[in-house]
Amino acid sequence: KNEVEQSPQNLTAQEGEFITINCSYSVGISALHWLQQHPGGGIVSLFMLSSGKKKHGRLIATINIQEKHSSLHITASHPRDSAVYICAVEGRTGGYNKLIFGAGTRLAVHP
Amino acid sequence: SAVISQKPSRDICQRGTSLTIQCQVDSQVTMMFWYRQQPGQSLTLIATANQGSEATYESGFVIDKFPISRPNLTFSTLTVSNMSPEDSSIYLCSVGLSDRPTEAFFGQGTRLTVV
Repeated sequence: KNEVEQSPQNLTAQEGEFITINCSYSVGISALHWLQQHPGGGIVSLFMLSSGKKKHGRLIATINIQEKHSSLHITASHPRDSAVYICAVEGRTGGYNKLIFGAGTRLAVHP
Repeated sequence: SAVISQKPSRDICQRGTSLTIQCQVDSQVTMMFWYRQQPGQSLTLIATANQGSEATYESGFVIDKFPISRPNLTFSTLTVSNMSPEDSSIYLCSVGLSDRPTEAFFGQGTRLTVV
């Protein structure tokens, strides 16, 4: 079993829909990251969370440390949101900043 | 924040040759990492690039295959040596601004195809 599990693997939505991507992890963490990867391969950091909830524009990320679960929500989705969304955890052992990645969720938003 | 310039962005290489990938950061950073993303797979840490000393490699990765340099706090290189088609991947440089949990910054990636 992978240490970081994401669901769904693939997601197709119509423009304007509310989207939720889930991430569960099995290790103790110091932080959880949500990342966005574009088709060319480059990665952008969306959020870093250690507790609670963060919001940036139409993106909302939440984390429940007790349940070892995080969600990324996109409100009013738009075709430009189409990308792969990756959950990554930063372990409490083995050094900070060393990330363990989920397999990613491929999101396609159609007009 | 940190802006990372990674070069080249893509390359097609012959098997048996080597490719060196550069990662330049616009500010001094504590932590620099190299990741590999094989087709359809999640990112995997290759090694932590240590300034002034040998890199720390993860299980399954060795220095002879992936030599890494980090001559200062803003620059690192990863070489993929004696390439085979199995080395076809995206290679990514990542940095952290401190040795505590912090936002992760990534380069744009190098898409390598070995033929």
